[in-house]
Amino acid sequence: DAGVTQSPTHLIKTRGQHVTLRCSPISGHKSVSWYQQVLGQGPQFIFQYYEKEERGRGNFPDRFSARQFPNYSSELNVNALLLGDSALYLCASSFRGFYTEAFFGQGTRLTVV
Amino acid sequence: AQKITQTQPGMFVQEKEAVTLDCTYDTSDPSYGLFWYKQPSSGEMIFLIYQGSYDQQNATEGRYSLNFQKARKSANLVISASQLGDSAMYFCAMRETVGNNRLAFGKGNQVVVIP
Repeated sequence: DAGVTQSPTHLIKTRGQHVTLRCSPISGHKSVSWYQQVLGQGPQFIFQYYEKEERGRGNFPDRFSARQFPNYSSELNVNALLLGDSALYLCASSFRGFYTEAFFGQGTRLTVV
Repeated sequence: AQKITQTQPGMFVQEKEAVTLDCTYDTSDPSYGLFWYKQPSSGEMIFLIYQGSYDQQNATEGRYSLNFQKARKSANLVISASQLGDSAMYFCAMRETVGNNRLAFGKGNQVVVIP
């Protein structure tokens, strides 16, 4: 079975641009969460979606938005990119909103120049 | 306030030896879950083990075991018989029901296994 897949794996953007990151959860999993991991730190929670509804939002500006599609895949959008948005963006998949396992994709490494 | 604390400096471990990674947490939620993840240099976050706050037994998964001391709010990971492939960053994380089930991560422990 395929694990959590994220695309693209690497991305370079210019300040002020917009970026869309994509995540496909494990088949049968209905919950997707997004995390940002800057160098040297643990991941920070951005969003959780369960059954296509937003169930949680972390302390991130409104430039960050996300959505979940009927097939449970998800997109993370970031507008007006700043240098500080450079990070590894991780998507986590779980069967339900209250979970005992959460599996991560390989991440998208975003560099803003 | 920091919910997960991992304060050990980078660790060097001899191959085949056991290593314990410390994790303390802070919560007032009676129902929570504790996770350990391994992150090699490639960046992917690999799920290792889970412990629920109501679980009576310490969790074990192969060479990984979790030493759960609820009263001390401690959830240390023990890796037995270290292998070279165990060299990675290790993150402790907590899920609280009051926090919309988000995972709160510590800053991680660096482990290097030497032959």
